[in-house]
Amino acid sequence: QSVLTQPPSASGTPGQRVTISCSGSSSNIGGNTVNWYQQLPGTAPKLLIYSNNQRPSGVPDQFSGSKSGTSASLAISGLQSEDEADYYCAAWDDSLNGWVFGGGTKLTVL
Amino acid sequence: QVQLQESGPGLVKPLETLSLTCTVSGGTIDTYYWSWIRQPPGKGLEWIGNIYNSGNTNYNPSLKSRVSMSVDTSKNHFSLKLTSVTAADTAVYYCARETILVRGVGWFDPWGQGTLVTVSS
Repeated sequence: QSVLTQPPSASGTPGQRVTISCSGSSSNIGGNTVNWYQQLPGTAPKLLIYSNNQRPSGVPDQFSGSKSGTSASLAISGLQSEDEADYYCAAWDDSLNGWVFGGGTKLTVL
Repeated sequence: QVQLQESGPGLVKPLETLSLTCTVSGGTIDTYYWSWIRQPPGKGLEWIGNIYNSGNTNYNPSLKSRVSMSVDTSKNHFSLKLTSVTAADTAVYYCARETILVRGVGWFDPWGQGTLVTVSS
């Protein structure tokens, strides 16, 4: 059971916009920033969004993040087949004094 | 650019100690936190803990009694030990650089490629 809650799956067709949600509590998302990681099949996770809505250098602007209260969202616009991956949200948890992850969302491009 | 590489045995017997090292290249191990994260086959990510170059550590409460981490700045690497392993510790183990701006604001980047450790007799 993950501390942060994500839907296990999401899907969309090429060109479509999809969003993935991440729900937490006041001890994690509510009081700290959220990061998103993309894990392509058979590879290590890669930082996709940090500090709620910042994109690292090299990450295209089709990816965007937002946070409101104790929830966060990742939006992917202009969906492409190469976006098929697992997506994880993460945040620092003040009660656990450690990092917590969501269970991951598997994105399928139909 | 900074690169991380995990190394260590791929097979550990039950109740023995898992030992891994993460070597940092292309940058210094100073001034950052360094984390270990694991992923059981087909499952999600779990943070194990982190260490600063001073030796300060934070561990996941669920693993705290079995985990220890160390850093060797002269070799630019840091290490993980997990004692009394069971099949539930079978996972891909990743090391990652952790940037922390202030408490509660940070992220993992980059990550190592990961190394699969199987616990089996």
